Amino acid sequence: KQEVTQIPAALSVPEGENLVLNCSFTDSAIYNLQWFRQDPGKGLTSLLLIQSSQREQTSGRLNASLDKSSGRSTLYIAASQPGDSATYLCAVMGYSSASKIIFGSGTRLSIRP
Amino acid sequence: ETGVTQTPRHLVMGMTNKKSLKCEQHLGHNAMYWYKQSAKKPLELMFVYSLEERVENNSVPSRFSPECPNSSHLFLHLHTLQPEDSALYLCASSQESGSTEAFFGQGTRLTVV
Repeated sequence: KQEVTQIPAALSVPEGENLVLNCSFTDSAIYNLQWFRQDPGKGLTSLLLIQSSQREQTSGRLNASLDKSSGRSTLYIAASQPGDSATYLCAVMGYSSASKIIFGSGTRLSIRP
Repeated sequence: ETGVTQTPRHLVMGMTNKKSLKCEQHLGHNAMYWYKQSAKKPLELMFVYSLEERVENNSVPSRFSPECPNSSHLFLHLHTLQPEDSALYLCASSQESGSTEAFFGQGTRLTVV
């Protein structure tokens, strides 16, 4: 059974810092891994999608890496801004025909001005 | 706007009521999902529909009844709910192959009184 873990559960840093969020998963047989952002009380916004054959994806100040063999992914945020404050969720999609998407519990990020 | 629309955005219902949540996508996706997000818990996968057939039911109580009349619409029928069912209910869609991103709606905030 796939399990996804995100560390740390919460993180508070001053504005301008670079930071790394971690995600690990127990079953390396995945189709893809996706990072989402969720603002309080809102739905999920997709940030980056990494296919199982890829090692990283970049979008603006965000860079996500994937090491399938070790079951790890990181989300790197450069030059953090207060607007980056949100909960960041990692999710993996498995190979089963159900295409289940399994989420971690998220990292709550707070950027202090 | 992610292309996945959920209605209503907020719902308050009594334990004896019957209500339905609606999800609609026009992204051409053929897999749709219901997730439950309770406070301080990871997103819990409830149901998966692939090509309009239910392919996953994660031990969800029978007071939750999904319906997928076509590939663009997904419903969650609710009856005789409990206060602990209060949560944010999120709908998502993707291609069944798993090689594309999952897109989420903004969710329905359900309160059972």
